[in-house]
Amino acid sequence: GAVVSQHPSWVICKSGTSVKIECRSLDFQATTMFWYRQFPKQSLMLMATSNEGSKATYEQGVEKDKFLINHASLTLSTLTVTSAHPEDSSFYICSAGLDRLTPYEQYFGPGTRLTVT
Amino acid sequence: TQLLEQSPQFLSIQEGENLTVYCNSSSVFSSLQWYRQEPGEGPVLLVTVVTGGEVKKLKRLTFQFGDARKDSSLHITAAQPGDTGLYLCAGAGRGTYKYIFGTGTRLKVLA
Repeated sequence: GAVVSQHPSWVICKSGTSVKIECRSLDFQATTMFWYRQFPKQSLMLMATSNEGSKATYEQGVEKDKFLINHASLTLSTLTVTSAHPEDSSFYICSAGLDRLTPYEQYFGPGTRLTVT
Repeated sequence: TQLLEQSPQFLSIQEGENLTVYCNSSSVFSSLQWYRQEPGEGPVLLVTVVTGGEVKKLKRLTFQFGDARKDSSLHITAAQPGDTGLYLCAGAGRGTYKYIFGTGTRLKVLA
């Protein structure tokens, strides 16, 4: 159980275009989902916390107008990178969790590798 | 801002050796997790610790949460090539389920 999927697994896009990444919890309902980015050989950096039915909470330094997050249902959150630039190339990972669990445990998706040319 | 420093950053050892990875912070965490990540994949949860001084074992892996809940360690006994990967600690503060990740330790076990 507790499987999280991401789609696509990798994407290449041209500079200036927008890319949407989906994160789905396959066998459970996730009130909260998190979006991370990871540069090569670095750790995960939390970008935003996404709660179903409400606006996402962005971490300091993350542009909310550039990284649009929508959490329309308990099993789906999307991250849209708008007007992508080469510096946005990264590994984007989502996680989902059941906030009724104590301690809270999150389950990670397999990640999406974005390359902007 | 909570910061989690891991040491060492890189570790290359021979199969059969023991090793310890440390995760340190000046902040107190209500819970701390350890993950292992393979290249091109998402992190996989190894353990969650919540009580100061808590020790958990997972086969050859031993995890300890510091008494003050500011630090943690991961000890691997008789390392195997399959243990190779990026090890990440992640801590959550009181009243939050938002985990902040450590700087990571890249382990390579040579056969």
